[in-house]
Amino acid sequence: SQTIHQWPATLVQPVGSPLSLECTVEGTSNPNLYWYRQAAGRGLQLLFYSVGIGQISSEVPQNLSASRPQDRQFILSSKKLLLSDSGFYLCAWSTESYNEQFFGPGTRLTVL
Amino acid sequence: GQQVMQIPQYQHVQEGEDFTTYCNSSTTLSNIQWYKQRPGGHPVFLIQLVKSGEVKKQKRLTFQFGEAKKNSSLHITATQTTDVGTYFCAGFDAGNNRKLIWGLGTSLAVNP
Repeated sequence: SQTIHQWPATLVQPVGSPLSLECTVEGTSNPNLYWYRQAAGRGLQLLFYSVGIGQISSEVPQNLSASRPQDRQFILSSKKLLLSDSGFYLCAWSTESYNEQFFGPGTRLTVL
Repeated sequence: GQQVMQIPQYQHVQEGEDFTTYCNSSTTLSNIQWYKQRPGGHPVFLIQLVKSGEVKKQKRLTFQFGEAKKNSSLHITATQTTDVGTYFCAGFDAGNNRKLIWGLGTSLAVNP
């Protein structure tokens, strides 16, 4: 069966520090991968999606970037965090773009 | 741009009462998905509707897709405390199947 891992579960970082969040999927190959951010009590904002290794589409301009160095690995990064980067970061995967998405447990990021 | 509006934003019900959330798109959707997010958790896929006028049931949950494929609804009969959470609809624009467009969700609180 397929599983999706995200770490860390929680993270507190100072403003201006770098960020690296990792997501890995097991039990499937060539998945579509997604990074979302959810502010407290709000909806899901798609940040990046990838249909293959090295293929990244960015949805919103920001100080975040994403990379997909391996088929089932998706990384979200920032060189310098802003206060507004705080939120709940969710990684998800799907077999095809139009199929259901499966979410990881998420990372709660607080930038102080 | 494409939008999916979801109403109401919040709903409080007494246990045993019915609950409905509505989803309306500014464009025709090729399909629509529903997800549930428990407090503190991640979104979990519930169902996908594809056909115009489609109705699907999962125990006490009834999902409908409008004839014009621009709106959808989720109805819960006789709510239980386990139904607490935020319900999201998300649809694929018929002209752009790469990206899922998310509603902002309806948060349901159930008083025992």
